[in-house]
Amino acid sequence: KQEVTQIPAALSVPEGENLVLNCSFTDSAIYNLQWFRQDPGKGLTSLLLIQSSQREQTSGRLNASLDKSSGRSTLYIAASQPGDSATYLCTNQETSGSRLTFGEGTQLTVNP
Amino acid sequence: DTGVSQDPRHKITKRGQNVTFRCDPISEHNRLYWYRQTLGQGPEFLTYFQNEAQLEKSRLLSDRFSAERPKGSFSTLEIQRTEQGDSAMYLCASSLNPYTEAFFGQGTRLTVV
Repeated sequence: KQEVTQIPAALSVPEGENLVLNCSFTDSAIYNLQWFRQDPGKGLTSLLLIQSSQREQTSGRLNASLDKSSGRSTLYIAASQPGDSATYLCTNQETSGSRLTFGEGTQLTVNP
Repeated sequence: DTGVSQDPRHKITKRGQNVTFRCDPISEHNRLYWYRQTLGQGPEFLTYFQNEAQLEKSRLLSDRFSAERPKGSFSTLEIQRTEQGDSAMYLCASSLNPYTEAFFGQGTRLTVV
């Protein structure tokens, strides 16, 4: 059974800081890995999708990397802003093509 | 296309009542997922459909829960004889196929009193 772990559970940083969120998974047989953000009481917004054949994806100030062999992904946020404050969730799609398995999330607070 | 749509956004019901939620996926998306999320936790898998076929159900989905996706378009999730423990955010997601980007709706927040 796939298990996804996100570290840290919570993070508070001053505005402008670069930061890294971590995601690890137990089964490397995945098709892709996806990062989402979730604002309080809202649904999930897709940030980046990395296919298993890729090493990283970039969108604006966000960069996500994937290392299947070690079962790890990182989400790098450059020059953080208060608007980045949210919970960040990672999930992956197993090669069986079935469910998406989520981590518990990292709650990020960027202080002005 | 405005994305995945869920209705209602909020539902308050008395314990023992039945409730039904609706999810309209993005047009032409053949994969549809239902998840449940409680405060401070990551989403928990409930079930998913490939077109109209329900391919997997979580053990979390007791016999009080049923989901349908007639004609492979919108989906409904029904909870019978609701319990206080059913209070949660119910999330729906869709993707073009099993291996592409998944898009989530805004969720339906259920409160059982």
